[in-house]
Amino acid sequence: GNSVTQMEGPVTLSEEAFLTINCTYTATGYPSLFWYVQYPGEGLQLLLKATKADDKGSNKGFEATYRKETTSFHLEKGSVQVSDSAVYFCALSEEEKLTFGTGTRLTIIP
Amino acid sequence: EADIYQTPRYLVIGTGKKITLECSQTMGHDKMYWYQQDPGMELHLIHYSYGVNSTEKGDLSSESTVSRIRTEHFPLTLESARPSHTSQYLCASSEITSAYNEQFFGPGTRLTVL
Repeated sequence: GNSVTQMEGPVTLSEEAFLTINCTYTATGYPSLFWYVQYPGEGLQLLLKATKADDKGSNKGFEATYRKETTSFHLEKGSVQVSDSAVYFCALSEEEKLTFGTGTRLTIIP
Repeated sequence: EADIYQTPRYLVIGTGKKITLECSQTMGHDKMYWYQQDPGMELHLIHYSYGVNSTEKGDLSSESTVSRIRTEHFPLTLESARPSHTSQYLCASSEITSAYNEQFFGPGTRLTVL
């Protein structure tokens, strides 16, 4: 079956630091890949997506590249802000369902 | 403005009570979902629907039930709430024609059963 393995948290960084949250997946076919973000007290929001190998999704300074050879979709941001503090979920879509990773809590300190 | 709504946002009730969590979307999406999010943040799919009169059980067994009488409305009901039902419940929707199954989420209902 499908699965998503996500970097364990929590992650704490200083403002303007470089961020990487690792995500690898197992799938039988060719899934679409997503990063969702959940701010405190809210539901999930789509942050970015990639639908085929070598696609790069980007939004709000975040990027992730669909790497089929390493089955990875790592999330990166060059300079994080306090407002980026949230929980980040990697997910894959196949057969009309989303499979989520366990989430990574990110805290940015000024 | 198209959106997905959940009410109530917070609910504290006693054991044995019947409750209904409401979810509505104005995007005209055919597919709708309910997820249970445990305190460790992990999301579990408990119910989904492909459209009116369609309901399916998700990956995690749940004592809750759902109905889909209208496209925009997908309520979840617990006949007799127990402390083990304490959790955050997230509703989502997506277009049935979406090849990528991008899902849009509501703000969630945080349920506490005493």
